[in-house]
Amino acid sequence: QQPVQSPQAVILREGEDAVINCSSSKALYSVHWYRQKHGEAPVFLMILLKGGEQKGHEKISASFNEKKQQSSLYLTASQLSYSGTYFCGTEWGGADGLTFGKGTHLIIQP
Amino acid sequence: NAGVTQTPKFRVLKTGQSMTLLCAQDMNHEYMYWYRQDPGMGLRLIHYSVGEGTTAKGEVPDGYNVSRLKKQNFLLGLESAAPSQTSVYFCASSYFSGRGYEQYFGPGTRLTVT
Repeated sequence: QQPVQSPQAVILREGEDAVINCSSSKALYSVHWYRQKHGEAPVFLMILLKGGEQKGHEKISASFNEKKQQSSLYLTASQLSYSGTYFCGTEWGGADGLTFGKGTHLIIQP
Repeated sequence: NAGVTQTPKFRVLKTGQSMTLLCAQDMNHEYMYWYRQDPGMGLRLIHYSVGEGTTAKGEVPDGYNVSRLKKQNFLLGLESAAPSQTSVYFCASSYFSGRGYEQYFGPGTRLTVT
């Protein structure tokens, strides 16, 4: 089943914080986060294993709540370069590909 | 180190024509994938391969075939193109990082079927 991302879109001013959520109705092994800029390929940000928390590059981090089957991506003190579409991808424990959410569009304004 | 490359970058086909998309990776990754991306739909898995000579169906395999004759290459074929196959196609390769299967994407192929 496709994970559900929320919100669908966010508009922020530079320096503000954002949280993007990814929920699944099925038990997850891990959650991947990617960012895609318009006309480009998705770029890997990080993987969260169940029960895990990770600090990524820039000021982006994420958590995985196994009880809720939900992962959250935190963007702190957002920069213009954070703009793009963020996708979560869920993995069931093998190399058989990811199931992606529909994406969250993030627009950062100066 | 080019990473994942895709050929061609753009293509326009007429309904019923066939074509092959080529994906190549130079990272010695075992696993390779083909996704399609449509507006508002996210990325959907078409086919994947867990090693040279192996392929498996993903979420939306109908109308596509794949082959992995060499570890570094993964080919996606459209036998008889339909307008519903108009999309952006991304290839990805992955390895097990200890935390999961990190995927690295190619630049994409934009296909229009008229």
